[in-house]
Amino acid sequence: NAGVMQNPRHLVRRRGQEARLRCSPMKGHSHVYWYRQLPEEGLKFMVYLQKENIIDESGMPKERFSAEFPKEGPSILRIQQVVRGDSAAYFCASRRGTPYNEQFFGPGTRLTVL
Amino acid sequence: KNEVEQSPQNLTAQEGEFITINCSYSVGISALHWLQQHPGGGIVSLFMLSSGKKKHGRLIATINIQEKHSSLHITASHPRDSAVYICAADGSNYKLTFGKGTLLTVNP
Repeated sequence: NAGVMQNPRHLVRRRGQEARLRCSPMKGHSHVYWYRQLPEEGLKFMVYLQKENIIDESGMPKERFSAEFPKEGPSILRIQQVVRGDSAAYFCASRRGTPYNEQFFGPGTRLTVL
Repeated sequence: KNEVEQSPQNLTAQEGEFITINCSYSVGISALHWLQQHPGGGIVSLFMLSSGKKKHGRLIATINIQEKHSSLHITASHPRDSAVYICAADGSNYKLTFGKGTLLTVNP
């Protein structure tokens, strides 16, 4: 059973470009979380999705950031018009669902904005 | 004020020493997680616990729900244990609130 997959592992973008980060949860997991780790800071929750639904986006910046988890395919975190402050490691985690609530993390995508 | 506090922030030990990392939380939780992250690396889940104590190899995690406190212990520490250890509290919708991490360095 493959773990949580994220791609790309490293992404370099210039200011103003778009960044698309993908997350494929573990097989059988229908809950996906995105977390961000800014340089020299701790991890912070961004958004929680189930298939085709955003459940909690209280940690998402109000502008430029969006997330989806379609019926088929990976979850996507999209950052439009990136700025240098978006440079961070973005981790997704998945869980199967109650009562199996342990979250399994992907390897992360390290975004660098030039 | 962060809702999850860890101490110490940095910890240096000699190989073989017994290590303790502490975590206090102020939110109501359904579970407390201990995670490990190597520099530049991914995140590995070590423990998820909601009561009592769990043991895996040389690692032991305990939690006191009444005192809202958890500890991670490493027995007979080894240089390969060097990493950042993060505690995280399960909140609503099981989203995690993280401590800032403890950087552990174990010298040979």
